[in-house]
Parts: sequence; C-alpha cells; structure tokens
Amino acid sequence: QVQLVESGGGVVQPGRSLRLSCAASGFSVSNYAMHWVRQSPGKGLEWVAVIPYDETYKNYADSVKGRFTISRDSSKNTMYLQMNSLKREDSAVYYCTREGADTGSYIDHWGQGTLVTVSS
Amino acid sequence: DIQMTQSPSTLSPSVGDRVTITCRASQSLNSWLAWYQQKPGKAPNLLIYKASRLESGVPSRFSGSGFGTEFTLTISSLQPDDVATYYCQQYNHYPLTFGGGTKVEIK
Repeated sequence: QVQLVESGGGVVQPGRSLRLSCAASGFSVSNYAMHWVRQSPGKGLEWVAVIPYDETYKNYADSVKGRFTISRDSSKNTMYLQMNSLKREDSAVYYCTREGADTGSYIDHWGQGTLVTVSS
Repeated sequence: DIQMTQSPSTLSPSVGDRVTITCRASQSLNSWLAWYQQKPGKAPNLLIYKASRLESGVPSRFSGSGFGTEFTLTISSLQPDDVATYYCQQYNHYPLTFGGGTKVEIK
C-alpha cells in the first residue's frame, strides 16, 4: 500500500538550512505529482511546493519562494525539500503528500509529518 | 491568491445529528474542491474531491456538494469517530489554498 515517510526535521537556528526527505513506497514518485504541505502548531494547513510527475515545472508558495527547493530522486523513490535561510515562521509540521490520480491537485495520501522548529 | 472561508469555525452537535460545513471561495473554482478530515495528532485524510466525489473507503454518511464559489460538506448522522477538524482546499489555481478549518466536537 502507499506509504510516505518523512525525515530530517529538528531544531535549527534562524538563517540556517535543513533538508527534509520523503521516502515513498507502494508507488513510483515518477508517476505522480508530489507536494509539501505544512502546519504550524495549532494552526491550519499551508501548501508549500509541488513537483509534477514529469518535472516540467516546480511551483512554490510566495512565503518560501527563493529559499526552498523541491526535488526528487526517482532511483531512490524519494522526494526532498531543501530549506535555506530559515525563519521562525517556518516552524511547522511538514507533510509529504501525493496528488490524487483523478484530474487536479487534490491530495490523496499524506505522510505522518516531520516537525521543524526554527529557534535560537 | 484564492481565499477560502469556512463556517462555522466550531460545531458542537450531538451523536446522530446532521452536520453541515460551508466553504466559500473568493473566485470560481468550478468543481475543483476537496475536503479533508484531521484528527488530533494525525495527518489529514481525504474525504471528498471534485466537490462531490467520495474517496474510496470513506463512509457514505459523508457527502459534498456545490459548484463555483460555494460548497458544502455534510455528515448525515454524526458518529463519535467523526470528532475532528475539517478543511476544504481549492485546486483550481496555484497556490493551493485551504480553509481555516471547522472543529467538530460532540455535545
């Protein structure tokens, strides 16, 4: 069955970098668009970035554009989120997600999330 | 960006009640709207996509309706397991945006 397992979260100082990984199983990341979605403690959901199945583009929320980079390694069936110049407001649980098979960018599978805390 | 407004923000119905949650978009979505359920400490779970299509494995007491800018999630008979926060999400345009959530508790 489909499984998404995030790793790489932790406590990091403002201005530093962190790389999140998402190991996928039960499907190939080459066949689906994949997204990162985050949720600040006690808050709602915020979409962060998308990489489509064919990597013809990458799209980012304005709040992370120029600082975060989404990528994938099909040979490892893994997606990544490189986060640079981290700010306190980037503190959140980061979810790796897979887009549904029907038309459009709805999300049919979510990982368990990895917590990123940006603090000095 | 498309703004998504959910109402109410909290609900306290009784078991067996019919529950309705509304989601309004700042511009037309056609039918490109999804609903998710999130239980405390867990990741969200897809309930409905394309406004009214029930995701496989989701109980039939959940249904969605609407088109354009106004959408509804209905739970026909609330069960104790339905205690959760519910979010709508538009996928008509990037950036994808979510509603602020509706917390459903049992009275």
